[in-house]
Amino acid sequence: DVKVTQSSRYLVKRTGEKVFLECVQDMDHENMFWYRQDPGLGLRLIYFSYDVKMKEKGDIPEGYSVSREKKERFSLILESASTNQTSMYLCASTIHGGETQYFGPGTRLLVL
Amino acid sequence: QKEVEQDPGPLSVPEGAIVSLNCTYSNSAFQYFMWYRQYSRKGPELLMYTYSSGNKEDGRFTAQVDKSSKYISLFIRDSQPSDSATYLCAMRGQGAQKLVFGQGTRLTINP
Repeated sequence: DVKVTQSSRYLVKRTGEKVFLECVQDMDHENMFWYRQDPGLGLRLIYFSYDVKMKEKGDIPEGYSVSREKKERFSLILESASTNQTSMYLCASTIHGGETQYFGPGTRLLVL
Repeated sequence: QKEVEQDPGPLSVPEGAIVSLNCTYSNSAFQYFMWYRQYSRKGPELLMYTYSSGNKEDGRFTAQVDKSSKYISLFIRDSQPSDSATYLCAMRGQGAQKLVFGQGTRLTINP
């Protein structure tokens, strides 16, 4: 079974803090994705990566950056957290051209 | 206008009812259509996958795609309380790596 794990289930941070969200997948998938999920807005793509050190902006990249130094790990970075970044963050992975994305359990981030 | 529209609900039905969930889309290039189920405080998991037009059945679940109308549906027969979840439609075009998701419909099946 594919397993996608995220470093934290719940996180509370203060405005202005630098926040790191980690995602690890164990199936050698090329593609990895970061989404945020908000009520009424569904899943919105922040960034995705199709290979090590490669990244592409999604629909809402502002205020975020990413890092993919190893194939199995994709990190989402909030350089200076703001209250409007309070959300559920979901990581997903898939093989290149794969028919489905496999999701992690999500990190619920609260920025105070 | 969003590329994919999905009524967010909430939708509440009695146990045993037939449930119909729908999405409309505007991009005629979409070829792959999926339904994800997301239980509370969990990540989405793939429920059904369909390529192009037609029907696909898996147990109590049936997915339909009508590309001429740009409309997809998920039917749940003999609905159970364990089917209570948020259902998200998703789709992508040929060769695309990114999925476009609907807002999700929150479904509750009442015993």
